[in-house]
Amino acid sequence: NAGVTQTPKFRVLKTGQSMTLLCAQDMNHEYMYWYRQDPGMGLRLIHYSVGEGTTAKGEVPDGYNVSRLKKQNFLLGLESAAPSQTSVYFCASSYEVGGAYNEQFFGPGTRLTVL
Amino acid sequence: AQKITQTQPGMFVQEKEAVTLDCTYDTSDPSYGLFWYKQPSSGEMIFLIYQGSYDQQNATEGRYSLNFQKARKSANLVISASQLGDSAMYFCAMREGEYSGGSNYKLTFGKGTLLTVNP
Repeated sequence: NAGVTQTPKFRVLKTGQSMTLLCAQDMNHEYMYWYRQDPGMGLRLIHYSVGEGTTAKGEVPDGYNVSRLKKQNFLLGLESAAPSQTSVYFCASSYEVGGAYNEQFFGPGTRLTVL
Repeated sequence: AQKITQTQPGMFVQEKEAVTLDCTYDTSDPSYGLFWYKQPSSGEMIFLIYQGSYDQQNATEGRYSLNFQKARKSANLVISASQLGDSAMYFCAMREGEYSGGSNYKLTFGKGTLLTVNP
């Protein structure tokens, strides 16, 4: 199993450009999440999905859109990138239950710089 | 108000000694789970240990143990016999609605503690 993979690993954008980050998981997880990590801020939830075809806003959703057309994929889009979106982006996935042995599994991260 | 507070931005420990990383949380939900993740300099997030709010015993996983004090709303991570490879950022996180069903099971993270293990 590859677990959670993210594409690309690094990207540099100019202000106003658009891009899509791809997250894929092969664990048949129902739930998927996008977080951003900024220095001194921990991880903050951008958007999440509780199943194919569903998405919902997290803590910091402005400037981002998401889609979950297939259960295994969760896409994060930036329509018009801004320097404030310079960050490391993590995708995660989990089963749809709580309790022990149901931690979130994280991808390796995408480092995005917006100039 | 912050839901997860990690008051130690940085900690130092000598190799082979034990270290405690602090975490306090704030929730009115009786059903929650507490997690610790490790993030080495390579950047990946590694799950370490889990404690459920209804668990009677403190969680342990190898050299990691969680000192869970429910009344004080604290969930401190204890690493015994520190190793050089333990040098990393450590994040405490909470998941509310743990057993209530219908939850989105999202995590709320603290800002992290950078642990440095000295030889």
